[in-house]
Amino acid sequence: DTEVTQTPKHLVMGMTNKKSLKCEQHMGHRAMYWYKQKAKKPPELMFVYSYEKLSINESVPSRFSPECPNSSLLNLHLHALQPEDSALYLCASRLAAQGGETQYFGPGTRLLVL
Amino acid sequence: GEDVEQSLFLSVREGDSSVINCTYTDSSSTYLYWYKQEPGAGLQLLTYIFSNMDMKQDQRLTVLLNKKDKHLSLRIADTQTGDSAIYFCAESIWGSQGNLIFGKGTKLSVKP
Repeated sequence: DTEVTQTPKHLVMGMTNKKSLKCEQHMGHRAMYWYKQKAKKPPELMFVYSYEKLSINESVPSRFSPECPNSSLLNLHLHALQPEDSALYLCASRLAAQGGETQYFGPGTRLLVL
Repeated sequence: GEDVEQSLFLSVREGDSSVINCTYTDSSSTYLYWYKQEPGAGLQLLTYIFSNMDMKQDQRLTVLLNKKDKHLSLRIADTQTGDSAIYFCAESIWGSQGNLIFGKGTKLSVKP
């Protein structure tokens, strides 16, 4: 099983809403990632969790708040987003941050901020 | 710095071979990847190659790596209409926590 699942598939939210994106994997991977992808662009790294600890935050605004409650789950909490935050949000996982060779992506959550 | 370059478009006829090219700049790359993204979907890992290899074949896919020229290519044999998608080349740098540096993607169009 090389599956990373993400929910919801689509999300529409207003600028004052609070919502969360969820990512799950059961491959025993200990590195998990959030990427943001705008239309016709490659994914851009947002956060890296290694062994449930945040190890990289690529200067992401505080309106995005990641959480890794256990080794299988990764959340992204959203609050007071802007219309320019509309994008496809991709979760990925890898066996280990250092030394695991394959990174698997989920199908993404397509977010629209009104 | 790290940079991955790809041509943006490729158009082929069904049944022909497709070759998508990629160049990268960081010589400390450990793994190089090809991902496929269909419209509205996530990224599907197609294949990857370790930086000390020069070729990898997997069914219709052949990856060639020229480490001296920092050039990576993906050849798709007998291209089908279902292969139409955006193909991203990506590299993973030693010591970088495994995060990927992506190229801008090559849009492959397959004409019947």
